[in-house]
Amino acid sequence: AQSVTQLGSHVSVSEGALVLLRCNYSSSVPPYLFWYVQYPNQGLQLLLKYTSAATLVKGINGFEAEFKKSETSFHLTKPSAHMSDAAEYFCAVSEGDSSYKLIFGSGTRLLVRP
Amino acid sequence: SAVISQKPSRDICQRGTSLTIQCQVDSQVTMMFWYRQQPGQSLTLIATANQGSEATYESGFVIDKFPISRPNLTFSTLTVSNMSPEDSSIYLCSVERTRGTGELFFGEGSRLTVL
Repeated sequence: AQSVTQLGSHVSVSEGALVLLRCNYSSSVPPYLFWYVQYPNQGLQLLLKYTSAATLVKGINGFEAEFKKSETSFHLTKPSAHMSDAAEYFCAVSEGDSSYKLIFGSGTRLLVRP
Repeated sequence: SAVISQKPSRDICQRGTSLTIQCQVDSQVTMMFWYRQQPGQSLTLIATANQGSEATYESGFVIDKFPISRPNLTFSTLTVSNMSPEDSSIYLCSVERTRGTGELFFGEGSRLTVL
């Protein structure tokens, strides 16, 4: 079965600094990879998705993620953090042929310091 | 895009009681999904609700504990039965934005606290 590992339950950066949230998955051939964001008291929103069309995926709000097959990683980055980026971020992988059945990582809470 | 409304948004329940959570989608969807997010943890899929058939439960979840209804293509309910404090979680309804893509839309969740 697929699994997802997010390193760091909390990441703290200064406003304007680089954001790097790490995600590793268990299989070398994942059907789809996703990053979702959850703002306080809200449901999850899709940030971006990898589908094998391009290894560098651009999402909303200036985020992007790079798929690295050799490292089985799909790390999320943003060049310059904004206060509004403070949220919980979840990496997810779809399981086998069931594209809708997502396996979520444990989440990383991003804190942005003024 | 899909708009998903869940009710109740939060509730405090007594041990041994049951609570039904409603999920309304503003467009017809084939499959709806129910997830649980326990405090400080990630999301776990409970079951997939298909219109016109029995829900499909994931390992560790059973129909007696989490009965699901799916009377039409825009509505589903999840009941948490005979609740215990371990059931205190956020329960989220979701739908696949476009079938076959894995892109899920989520409701805002129902936060249950069981005393």
